[in-house]
Amino acid sequence: NAGVTQTPKFRILKIGQSMTLQCTQDMNHNYMYWYRQDPGMGLKLIYYSVGAGITDKGEVPNGYNVSRSTTEDFPLRLELAAPSQTSVYFCASSSGLAEGSTDTQYFGPGTRLTVL
Amino acid sequence: AQSVTQLGSHVSVSEGALVLLRCNYSSSVPPYLFWYVQYPNQGLQLLLKYTSAATLVKGINGFEAEFKKSETSFHLTKPSAHMSDAAEYFCAVSYSGNTPLVFGKGTRLSVIA
Repeated sequence: NAGVTQTPKFRILKIGQSMTLQCTQDMNHNYMYWYRQDPGMGLKLIYYSVGAGITDKGEVPNGYNVSRSTTEDFPLRLELAAPSQTSVYFCASSSGLAEGSTDTQYFGPGTRLTVL
Repeated sequence: AQSVTQLGSHVSVSEGALVLLRCNYSSSVPPYLFWYVQYPNQGLQLLLKYTSAATLVKGINGFEAEFKKSETSFHLTKPSAHMSDAAEYFCAVSYSGNTPLVFGKGTRLSVIA
């Protein structure tokens, strides 16, 4: 049981390039999330999904796109990378079955992205 | 809007001393509250969560937190710090069924030998 896995671990992009950050979970969780973490700013939600085929914007969605074609995978697409997208990106998942908001989110190890 | 305030971006304690990390939330309804820990170059791991069953919540690694509605606080404590507790700690809040978490900015804990 690997939990939440993310690839790549590190990536350097040039301004204007595109890339996809991969996220896979093997816990059969319904809910998946993408956050970015910037120094001293905590985590900010980019997009989330409550199930295959359903996605919604978070606090900072501009410059990103997502899709959810399967329960397991939730890739994050960066189009036209900009220096402001330099950050550490975390994917998380939760079962979506717990009562209220008591559900625990499980986090992947992160992808460190630098845009130069 | 939901928000979480963590007082102190960096806290330093001596090994064996009390750890106190502060978290206040804004809310007009009862929230669900979480503390996560992040060790260097790793993802976040749940320490504990408040789900309204009890105001004093015990978590992993000897940490606990007390929900105080009158003070809108959920401070994290540990009686005796260990070197392995050095990490970044995040308080987070959610207000309704399975909505995404709102995180505080984090507090980095240093433990001095």
